[in-house]
Amino acid sequence: EDQVTQSPEALRLQEGESSSLNCSYTVSGLRGLFWYRQDPGKGPEFLFTLYSAGEEKEKERLKATLTKKESFLHITAPKPEDSATYLCAVGGYGGSQGNLIFGKGTKLSVKP
Amino acid sequence: EAGVTQFPSHSVIEKGQTVTLRCDPISGHDNLYWYRRVMGKEIKFLLHFVKESKQDESGMPNNRFLAERTGGTYSTLKVQPAELEDSGVYFCASSQDLGPLAYNEQFFGPGTRLTVL
Repeated sequence: EDQVTQSPEALRLQEGESSSLNCSYTVSGLRGLFWYRQDPGKGPEFLFTLYSAGEEKEKERLKATLTKKESFLHITAPKPEDSATYLCAVGGYGGSQGNLIFGKGTKLSVKP
Repeated sequence: EAGVTQFPSHSVIEKGQTVTLRCDPISGHDNLYWYRRVMGKEIKFLLHFVKESKQDESGMPNNRFLAERTGGTYSTLKVQPAELEDSGVYFCASSQDLGPLAYNEQFFGPGTRLTVL
C-alpha cells in the first residue's frame, strides 16, 4: 500500500536556525513527489515537484531533495513568515495519475 | 490569473440534510480533483475528472457522495444525506494536461469546511 510518513509532526525553530523536514514514502513506482505549504484556513500551496532520486530544487530559503526512499525539505535561515504546515505527497504508477497520497504534515513555527 | 475557488467557505448542517459544494478550477485546466481532510488525518483523494469524465473515483467513501462536472468547467460535490463522519475540509484542485510523461502539478483551492451536527 502506498504510504507517506512525515517527521517531525511539529518543529519549533528560532529565526535563522536552519533545519530539515523529512518525508519517507513507499509507493509502487514513483511518478512524482510534491511539497506543499499550507497556512491556517487556506488550501495547500504548491512548492516543488521532484521526479527522480538525486534531484534537487530550490526556492528562496527552501531546498527539496529526493532519494529512493525519502525526501528532505531543508530550510536555511528561516524567518517567522516561513511558519506553516509543510505537506509532502506522492503520486505512484499503482494509482491513477491524479491520485496523490499525502502525509499528515510537519507544522513549523519560527520564532523571532 | 485567478486560482481555484470554492464555495461556500464554511457550511454547517444537521445530520440527514443535503449539502452541495462547488469548485471552479483555474481556467483552461482540464483536470479537476476533490480531496478531503478529516480532523487529525491526512488529506485523502476522493476523485478525479478529466474534462467532464470521471477518470478515477476510487476514493469516494460511499454512494451518499455524488460529484458532477457538467460541461467540463466547474464541479459540484453533493453529500446526501450527510452523516456526522462527513465533517471535514473538502479541497478541490486543478491541473493542466501535460501529457503522459509528466506529472500534473495540482493547484488547490482554499477548501470548504463542512460541519455536520
